[in-house]
Amino acid sequence: DTVLTQSPALAVSPGERVSISCRASEGVNSYMHWYQQKPGQQPKLLIYKASNLASGVPARFSGSGSGTDFTLTIDPVEADDTATYFCQQSWNDWTFGGGTKLELK
Amino acid sequence: QVQLKESGPGLVQPSETLSLTCTVSGFSLTSYSVSWVRQPSGKGPEWMGRMWYDGDTAYNSALKSRLSISRDTSKNQVFLKMNSLQTDDTGTYYCTRDSPRYGGYIGYFDYWGQGVMVTVSS
Repeated sequence: DTVLTQSPALAVSPGERVSISCRASEGVNSYMHWYQQKPGQQPKLLIYKASNLASGVPARFSGSGSGTDFTLTIDPVEADDTATYFCQQSWNDWTFGGGTKLELK
Repeated sequence: QVQLKESGPGLVQPSETLSLTCTVSGFSLTSYSVSWVRQPSGKGPEWMGRMWYDGDTAYNSALKSRLSISRDTSKNQVFLKMNSLQTDDTGTYYCTRDSPRYGGYIGYFDYWGQGVMVTVSS
């Protein structure tokens, strides 16, 4: 299985820029996708195929990377962005990362 | 609009079988694939298996021996059955719509149901 590794948590102040990383145990080409999950809710697609913004997602969100290293960037961060962010790959079957919990200072 | 809704029991006895139904609207099961994804509390999601648009199925190798996915296109429903449940099968179970086929399959999940919490306990 392709294992996706994310940092467990980050804390930033509103208005700042934050980068959330995801590292794959093997190359996944550009087949990396990002989701936002707020407490008690289902995940919501933010970015697909590394850098494509999903429909209705604010342009404050962006994605980059290829191969094994990927980044989700939020700039600027708003209070409503408090959530857990998951990466997911679809190059070698389908696996998810453990999530990065974003907290605002 | 696209909607998916899971239904099924919230409590299952250890060693018993879990049966869940996903009822979809706003799209056709013969045009889009539907996956089941589960998530233990406080952990990352796990892809369980898929009903492809053409009726074929795919399963997570770790669950394949216990899992079965089927559908009834006339009722717009996809079914999950998993046997020999244990306590580590506790979590929230989601059905999701797979990314569109046109332009080449990419493999993300663009719509999710609200999920159903399943607890395995005696």
